[in-house]
Amino acid sequence: QLQLQESGPGLVKPSETLSLTCTVSGGSISRSTYYWGWIRQPPGKGLEWIGSMYYSGRSTYYRSSLKSRVTISIDTSKNQFSLKMSAVTVADTALYYCARHHREDDWFDPWGQGTLVTVSS
Amino acid sequence: QSVLTQPPSVSAAPGQKVTISCSGSGSNIGNNYVSWYQQLPGTAPKLLIYENNKRPSGIPDRFSGSKSGTSATLGITGLQTGDEGDYYCGTWETSLSAGVFGGGTKLTVL
Repeated sequence: QLQLQESGPGLVKPSETLSLTCTVSGGSISRSTYYWGWIRQPPGKGLEWIGSMYYSGRSTYYRSSLKSRVTISIDTSKNQFSLKMSAVTVADTALYYCARHHREDDWFDPWGQGTLVTVSS
Repeated sequence: QSVLTQPPSVSAAPGQKVTISCSGSGSNIGNNYVSWYQQLPGTAPKLLIYENNKRPSGIPDRFSGSKSGTSATLGITGLQTGDEGDYYCGTWETSLSAGVFGGGTKLTVL
């Protein structure tokens, strides 16, 4: 059974770069058809898609409002994908989830358990 | 403000049926599949419905989905207290090449 697990610092200072990694187990990240994505949820609010990348890296989609600050990358040798978000502000404080993205029909499954990132000095 | 519009909350008694609507436009729901997610308190979202009306393995048939034009609906029958949580619709916004979610609906089982 495919499982995803986010990891990374829980506290980031304003203006610095947020870096998270999602480790995939129980299956290969290189399987075709799927994208691998990041979604976040500010405290007490709804889901916000951040971006998704095809396993080969040949195709990537980003939320337009975050595009200038976000980079998603994939390391197939480690079965991991990562999120980097630069110049963070308190508005980037959220639960960050990674998920497999079935881009052809647009559904996300499975999801990681999520990791809380707080932006504070 | 979400591209997809959901009611903030719905409620019903145990054993009853509830529906949750998700309204969009031609560039999202109108031209793409809709999925639904259940988020129980303190947990990650879980896929309930994909491709408008299909249930992943392990999801009981109490949960159903439908789509008509630029709107979609999630139905839940035989409500249980364990169904209390937040429900989100999702799809693709073709004009933005972006994933989009509804604002979420809080289900209360009275």
